[in-house]
This record gives sequence, C-alpha cells and structure tokens, in this order.
Amino acid sequence: QQPVQSPQAVILREGEDAVINCSSSKALYSVHWYRQKHGEAPVFLMILLKGGEQKGHEKISASFNEKKQQSSLYLTASQLSYSGTYFCGTEKSPGGSEKLVFGKGTKLTVNP
Amino acid sequence: DSGVTQTPKHLITATGQRVTLRCSPRSGDLSVYWYQQSLDQGLQFLIHYYNGEERAKGNILERFSAQQFPDLHSELNLSSLELGDSALYFCASSVGPGPGTEAFFGQGTRLTVV
Repeated sequence: QQPVQSPQAVILREGEDAVINCSSSKALYSVHWYRQKHGEAPVFLMILLKGGEQKGHEKISASFNEKKQQSSLYLTASQLSYSGTYFCGTEKSPGGSEKLVFGKGTKLTVNP
Repeated sequence: DSGVTQTPKHLITATGQRVTLRCSPRSGDLSVYWYQQSLDQGLQFLIHYYNGEERAKGNILERFSAQQFPDLHSELNLSSLELGDSALYFCASSVGPGPGTEAFFGQGTRLTVV
C-alpha cells in the first residue's frame, strides 16, 4: 500500500528543474506532498484531490492523474532552499481505511 | 512552528523497558497520526485517532499501543523495547478524520534504545 517514489535521489545545480514521481497500485482519493530537511519535521507543501487538478506554490507545482494513480511534483528553477527529502503521502478513496501512507522519499540536493 | 507539540524530544532507554511518547495536536485539530521514521524507511504509518477513537492502524507492533484522551492529546506507549525500535517518532495532527485534510507534524521524539 506504500506509494512508490522515483527517483530515490536527485542532484541539481541551482536553477535547474526536477520532477519527482509518486505512484500507487491502489485507487487514490488524494495525494499529499511534504518536504523534510535533515533533523526537522516534514513540512506540508500541498494536497491534490482526485479530479486531475494541478496546484502550484511559487515555483513548485504538482499534478495528480487519478486514472493512473500517479502524482508528479515539479520543481522549477530550483533554489538552494529546495534541498531536502520529498515525501508523497496517499489516501485511498473515502470508505477505505483512513490512513495517510507515505513513500520512502526522494532526496533532493541543490548545489550552487 | 506547526503548533503540534511532542515530548520528550530525546529519549534514551535500555532494551526491555517501556516508554511513553506524548503528542499535543494543534488547537482545533481532532485527528492525530503517529509515524515511525527509521533510516532508509521513510515515514511508516502506525496509527490514526480521531476525536478519541481509533480510525486506522498501520504496521504497528503488538508491543506498541496508543490512545487519544478527551483533551485530544495522544500518547504512544512502546514496551519491551528492542534495539530495532530506535527511531524518530512523529505525530501529526489535522482537522478532519481524513481524507484530504493537510497534516501538520510535530518536531518528533528521537528514541534511542541501548
């Protein structure tokens, strides 16, 4: 039931773009994205509910394809502050158990 | 500051012992989730409480138990501790029972079993 994230790690230079993918074998109701810096708590980035919507937050946006049970996080013109581990969390459709289950994370390193 | 408070921040204990981790959710949040984070294992879902009731269980060991009290704070009890239980334990809170509501994480309790 744990979503699968890819890639496991990404190294970028400042200003480059990155895409992090999250996929599930189960039907999803929502996908959550969080960023965790070393030694800190995960911080909420955004939620996408089923419906194929795309959300954005400055230079970070995401999409959710409910038919494919996939979500992608897009990091544009990366900044040093984007470094950290990105987790996607998934919830199954209402009526299923109320779990927010996270993938193993994607470690993003942005170098000057 | 997420508004979620976890105590203690650090805990060092011996194998076989029992510990209690505490979580106070954000004001107004009724849901509390517990997660275990070990090296290379990501965030492993343990259990979810909503307004005092257990709503979902993940891969929580029988040696572990949790509850949510009337004032909505939650405690995670870990007993007969083993070396492999050493990890960072996070709680998160949200307004609703899920799904689709954002969760806010506390700073975590780092448990070291020696």
